[in-house]
Amino acid sequence: DAGVIQSPRHEVTEMGQEVTLRCKPISGHDYLFWYRQTMMRGLELLIYFNNNVPIDDSGMPEDRFSAKMPNASFSTLKIQPSEPRDSAVYFCASSHRARRGNEQFFGPGTRLTVL
Amino acid sequence: AQTVTQSQPEMSVQEAETVTLSCTYDTSESNYYLFWYKQPPSRQMILVIRQEAYKQQNATENRFSVNFQKAAKSFSLKISDSQLGDTAMYFCALPSGNQFYFGTGTSLTVIP
Repeated sequence: DAGVIQSPRHEVTEMGQEVTLRCKPISGHDYLFWYRQTMMRGLELLIYFNNNVPIDDSGMPEDRFSAKMPNASFSTLKIQPSEPRDSAVYFCASSHRARRGNEQFFGPGTRLTVL
Repeated sequence: AQTVTQSQPEMSVQEAETVTLSCTYDTSESNYYLFWYKQPPSRQMILVIRQEAYKQQNATENRFSVNFQKAAKSFSLKISDSQLGDTAMYFCALPSGNQFYFGTGTSLTVIP
């Protein structure tokens, strides 16, 4: 298995632009998580899906952030409009409910820089 | 509410020596798992070791082992024979429901 795939690995954009981050979970996993990592706040859970349905989006910082999972093999996290304070590393992770301890498998992350 | 605390923001160890990273947690659940994840400079989060709470035996994975003290709610990670490739951030994690609760991490540097 290829593991969790994220694209792009790096994104540099200007304030006010729309940013879309992409994630392909591990095949057969029914949970998908989006995290944000910064030096100040550490790892924050933004939103997670179960069987493509958003379950908890209480971590989404504001309405500028939105996430979708149109099918079991693809999810997007969109920021519109982007702001410099959104600069962070964004991780996608997936897990299978039946796995022991619900281990989460992480993608390599997308480093977002908003100028 | 579940909480995970890592009180050592940074640590260093000489190559080939042993180091212990601390983690304490709080949970109201009776059976649960605990994890240690490693995040090297490449950013990829990698599972190092997991412990199931009802198992009294401490988990071991090669040079990595844990000291799990359920009553004290302590879950420390011991790295033996430290190698340069062990340089990374280490996160303690407590799954609850469908979420993971992560500590703030310990940055470990292995000195040659």
